[in-house]
Amino acid sequence: GAVVSQHPSRVICKSGTSVKIECRSLDFQATTMFWYRQFPKKSLMLMATSNEGSKATYEQGVEKDKFLINHASLTLSTLTVTSAHPEDSSFYICSASQGTFGTDTQYFGPGTRLTVL
Amino acid sequence: KQEVTQIPAALSVPEGENLVLNCSFTDSAIYNLQWFRQDPGKGLTSLLLIQSSQREQTSGRLNASLDKSSGRSTLYIAASQPGDSATYLCAVKGTYKYIFGTGTRLKVLA
Repeated sequence: GAVVSQHPSRVICKSGTSVKIECRSLDFQATTMFWYRQFPKKSLMLMATSNEGSKATYEQGVEKDKFLINHASLTLSTLTVTSAHPEDSSFYICSASQGTFGTDTQYFGPGTRLTVL
Repeated sequence: KQEVTQIPAALSVPEGENLVLNCSFTDSAIYNLQWFRQDPGKGLTSLLLIQSSQREQTSGRLNASLDKSSGRSTLYIAASQPGDSATYLCAVKGTYKYIFGTGTRLKVLA
């Protein structure tokens, strides 16, 4: 149980285009979803936290207009990278939790590799 | 501000060796600590989750311990195999988010 999927697993796009990444909780209702980013040879950094039906809360330094997060249902959150540039190339991982406070266990998705040419 | 450090950054061992990976964190006010495995270009696979009230967790050849007071966790891998080669990440959970270490890159030689 507690499976989180991401789609696509890998995407290549041209500079200036927008890319949408989906995160789904397959067998539980995810009240809270988290989006992380991993730079090459670096650790994962939390980008934003989203609660179903509410606006996402972004970590300091993350551009909310660049990384649009929508958590419209209890099983789906999307991250849209708008007007992507090569520096946005990274590995994006989502996680999902059943609780709102975040003390519940977070289950991680398999990640999406974004390459911007 | 929570900081998570993993030592060593890289480790190469012959097959069959028992090994220990270390993780230290600066703020002991954590809810849980989780060890992950990440293969090159892939996502995270959760290995072991230790709640703040627990001292250790075991799964197969893996054993993870947690000493909150000293801000340390260790991941013990018994009888290492080439298939264990990967990057191992530890992450501590505070109020709502995980803070990750930079990982230990393990290579087990056949």
